[in-house]
Amino acid sequence: GENVEQHPSTLSVQEGDSAVIKCTYSDSASNYFPWYKQELGKRPQLIIDIRSNVGEKKDQRIAVTLNKTAKHFSLHITETQPEDSAVYFCAATRGGLTGGGNKLTFGTGTQLKVEL
Amino acid sequence: KAGVTQTPRYLIKTRGQQVTLSCSPISGHRSVSWYQQTPGQGLQFLFEYFSETQRNKGNFPGRFSGRQFSNSRSEMNVSTLELGDSALYLCASSLALQVSGSGNTIYFGEGSWLTVV
Repeated sequence: GENVEQHPSTLSVQEGDSAVIKCTYSDSASNYFPWYKQELGKRPQLIIDIRSNVGEKKDQRIAVTLNKTAKHFSLHITETQPEDSAVYFCAATRGGLTGGGNKLTFGTGTQLKVEL
Repeated sequence: KAGVTQTPRYLIKTRGQQVTLSCSPISGHRSVSWYQQTPGQGLQFLFEYFSETQRNKGNFPGRFSGRQFSNSRSEMNVSTLELGDSALYLCASSLALQVSGSGNTIYFGEGSWLTVV
């Protein structure tokens, strides 16, 4: 089955700096890669996603890149703010009728701390 | 539009008991998935339902079961509870099975916190 590795497990940055979180996946048939932000005691919230037919997607301060050949994707947060502090999860899925459905395989999470 | 709604939010059960958790997906969403979140194992997929049929199942024992109703609402049941079942149980919904299709994304509910004592 799919396996998703996520690094680093903790990341501490100064406010205004950039943060990068990296994930690798094992199933070459995976074609949808969402990123979720989870604050303490809250639900995972989708912050950005990318499908396998594009290499990069950006939404204001957040961007995701995908390298299908190397089977890795990364989350980039620029101009970090204290409210960005949370646990971030990457995930992967085949997302199709022929296999995997909407089953998400998650990485182990990255605790991001943005310090003033 | 209302989000994914889960009930109850918090519950405490005794070992050996059973528990039923409920999930109402976003209006119009037909796919409902369940996940278990623990500090040690992270987020793990339990099962997925679409049009009242289980489409996918994770690596959990048979004590974990679920179902989906014709209105897409879903329930999951855990029988003979063990201490290790203490976790946050998250329900997620999406429009269709093909999440890779444009515009189809997966949204999570706030979860049900289960403590087994």
